[in-house]
Amino acid sequence: DAGITQSPRHKVTETGTPVTLRCHQTENHRYMYWYRQDPGHGLRLIHYSYGVKDTDKGEVSDGYSVSRSKTEDFLLTLESATSSQTSVYFCAISEIIATYTGELFFGEGSRLTVL
Amino acid sequence: AQTVTQSQPEMSVQEAETVTLSCTYDTSENNYYLFWYKQPPSRQMILVIRQEAYKQQNATENRFSVNFQKAAKSFSLKISDSQLGDTAMYFCAFMKGGKLIFGTGTRLQVFP
Repeated sequence: DAGITQSPRHKVTETGTPVTLRCHQTENHRYMYWYRQDPGHGLRLIHYSYGVKDTDKGEVSDGYSVSRSKTEDFLLTLESATSSQTSVYFCAISEIIATYTGELFFGEGSRLTVL
Repeated sequence: AQTVTQSQPEMSVQEAETVTLSCTYDTSENNYYLFWYKQPPSRQMILVIRQEAYKQQNATENRFSVNFQKAAKSFSLKISDSQLGDTAMYFCAFMKGGKLIFGTGTRLQVFP
């Protein structure tokens, strides 16, 4: 199994509070991703990173920010959590070198509930 | 922007039978990658099969195979000899330039 650890795995918070989810990898892959999964929507890309300090927006980036100061860590921050951000969040990693594109390996998910 | 459509929210199949899950996508790109991922009740995302768009030959992986029709932008998954352990959500996904975009998924139930 790919070495991907998400923390926390479960969190309950209140509307308006900041929340940070952490993704840690031991594979030294360049690409890292944050997805959210909601019923009827599948997995939707929030943000992704293609290197240290290099990030880009996905389909549903509003209300989220990310940071990547080290290859192994990718942080997702909700500056002021809202109930619509209640979801299961998945981190994923991938390696893309020249013409080779690898598949994404996923973490186990973090369930966030915003009351 | 690329989109991925899975038009079958739910499907069921009897054990040992064959089932096909549909997926279509929309893109103007010529080179890209397509994937099927499986998500069992454990919630873990598991790669089932991948297809490079530049390869005409359909990918196969044991009981899993795809029917890749590039001109039609279709990428269906066939599961042969279905097993109870195949019960899961199945997601079709499109990848280009490092971004993986998913369809909404098909929930497959395998009955004994």
